[in-house]
Amino acid sequence: EIVLTQSPGTLSLSPGERATLSCRASQSVSSSYLAWYQQKPGQAPRLLIYGASSRATGIPDRFSGSGSGTDFTLTISRLEPEDFAVYYCQQYGSSPPVTFGQGTKLEIK
Amino acid sequence: QVTLKESGPVLVKPTETLTLTCTVSGFSLSNARMGVSWIRQPPGKALEWLAHIFSNDEKSYSTSLKSRLTISKDTSKSQVVLTMTNMDPVDTATYYCARIRRDPINAFDIWGQGTMVTVSS
Repeated sequence: EIVLTQSPGTLSLSPGERATLSCRASQSVSSSYLAWYQQKPGQAPRLLIYGASSRATGIPDRFSGSGSGTDFTLTISRLEPEDFAVYYCQQYGSSPPVTFGQGTKLEIK
Repeated sequence: QVTLKESGPVLVKPTETLTLTCTVSGFSLSNARMGVSWIRQPPGKALEWLAHIFSNDEKSYSTSLKSRLTISKDTSKSQVVLTMTNMDPVDTATYYCARIRRDPINAFDIWGQGTMVTVSS
């Protein structure tokens, strides 16, 4: 089973700053099968990035994804107040076919 | 508009079987490029994938929960059903169903609102 480890566990930043979130896989993951989600309290997760770097419909361009192999990154170029949430990475394709990371909480400093 | 909606009991007793239904609209369960997954989230914890099913009846299950899970679909009713046997308090969680898109997305693009299930005697 592919284990996804996200770091840091909590990231404290101010609006306007740049956020860099990491997702490391225990085995190589095809870039086509790496996604990122945002979850706010009391809400379902929302797809942000698929295929490691493609933005989902309606996602602002301040969100970007990159990486390959075992190391992937979600970057938020300039934080807006609504961006403070929990972020999850997820891989699809290996057996079992789906695993999620443990999440990174992005909080206001 | 694509929507998914979970339904089922709010409270189940330990050792009972949980049955959850996901009713979808805006797309067909016969669409070969889409499937439906169940994902859960204990309070304050991370997401955990449970199972998925595709139009050709291809099914996959979480390795750790495989012996307790069964997923099925009724295409005519636009419903996907998950059963989980031998419920335990550690299974207390919000249970989500989500649409999974095959290539090129290969991710969960639409989620239901979730349904909270508490396991307690």
